[in-house]
Amino acid sequence: GAVVSQHPSWVICKSGTSVKIECRSLDFQATTMFWYRQFPKQSLMLMATSNEGSKATYEQGVEKDKFLINHASLTLSTLTVTSAHPEDSSFYICSAYGTRSTDTQYFGPGTRLTVL
Amino acid sequence: AQKITQTQPGMFVQEKEAVTLDCTYDTSDPSYGLFWYKQPSSGEMIFLIYQGSYDQQNATEGRYSLNFQKARKSANLVISASQLGDSAMYFCAMREGDQAGTALIFGKGTTLSVSS
Repeated sequence: GAVVSQHPSWVICKSGTSVKIECRSLDFQATTMFWYRQFPKQSLMLMATSNEGSKATYEQGVEKDKFLINHASLTLSTLTVTSAHPEDSSFYICSAYGTRSTDTQYFGPGTRLTVL
Repeated sequence: AQKITQTQPGMFVQEKEAVTLDCTYDTSDPSYGLFWYKQPSSGEMIFLIYQGSYDQQNATEGRYSLNFQKARKSANLVISASQLGDSAMYFCAMREGDQAGTALIFGKGTTLSVSS
């Protein structure tokens, strides 16, 4: 069964609003969570890495004031897309690494964001 | 330079036949891990197989095997006895270094279509 969940699975919002996406590890403690972004028929691009209790590390070109990441507990990380615009429409996927496996990261099912 | 190269945008195969999806990688780190993921149209990332850089034998998982040729820096995925349900996008990914909690670098993916 799924070990990482994401909520919501899809969201449609108006331009200018903020959207929060949650990523939860269900049966393990996630010391590190990763946020990826995927445009249609393209690859996954890493946006940021978050470690529990510390500030996220953003990849070059990712606006940290626009994509706010909070990893407040060992089972929850949130990505908030602030003042969303149509170009932010994408598939956002989180993955988690922690106490469940020494080799594998576990991916969430993804969140499809559409900004009108 | 790209770290992960998948040169086949699309592959077509008939049911019950075997298919090889190509992947080459580039890293100067002696320790790394190679992954293959399947992404059906639902978007979830399904882990298929893992190969560590120091593993002597090619990894196998059921119908999936990884043809690891270290000197050539290739990590091709072989799917034996293809099934209709194998139709999906396939991504090769690499983790550099020996820390499992490191973000993955993904290739551009190969779309596999299996016909009856």
